[in-house]
Amino acid sequence: ELKVEQNPLFLSMQEGKNYTIYCNYSTTSDRLYWYRQDPGKSLESLFVLLSNGAVKQEGRLMASLDTKARLSTLHITAAVHDLSATYFCAVGDNAGNNRKLIWGLGTSLAVNP
Amino acid sequence: DTGVSQNPRHKITKRGQNVTFRCDPISEHNRLYWYRQTLGQGPEFLTYFQNEAQLEKSRLLSDRFSAERPKGSFSTLEIQRTEQGDSAMYLCASSSTSGVGEQFFGPGTRLTVL
Repeated sequence: ELKVEQNPLFLSMQEGKNYTIYCNYSTTSDRLYWYRQDPGKSLESLFVLLSNGAVKQEGRLMASLDTKARLSTLHITAAVHDLSATYFCAVGDNAGNNRKLIWGLGTSLAVNP
Repeated sequence: DTGVSQNPRHKITKRGQNVTFRCDPISEHNRLYWYRQTLGQGPEFLTYFQNEAQLEKSRLLSDRFSAERPKGSFSTLEIQRTEQGDSAMYLCASSSTSGVGEQFFGPGTRLTVL
């Protein structure tokens, strides 16, 4: 059974600092996604990672995937307050013939001035 | 296209009542998913449609839950005899078979069972 773990679950950081969120998963998968969720809002897709060594960047966020280690990272560079949100990784479940996603618990990020 | 829409956005009901939620996916998407999310948790998969066929239903979903997608367009999720433990945000997402499996989410329906 596919399990997805994120850490840390809570992160408080100062503006201008860098940090990395980690996403580990337990069984082989060919798809990994990062989403952002603001309080009381729905989920916004950030990145889609489909192959080993994939790296995607958008603004101050960069995501990477190591399928051999079953690990993805979301790196935050020079954080700003607008990045405060909860970040989820979701991994495609290859069991069966469906496209179900298994989600981590999320990392609640607070960027302080 | 305005994205995935869900109605109602909020629903307050008394324990034991039935509720029904609607999801309208992005028009060209033939895959539709229902998830449930409680505070501090990630979304939890409930069920999945490809066109009108329901291809998987979570083991966590009791017989009180049923979902339909009659013409392969909009979908409904019904909860019968609601319980307080059903209180959650119910999220709908859609995706295209030709894409990379990226799921686009609606705003959700927040259910409160009193």
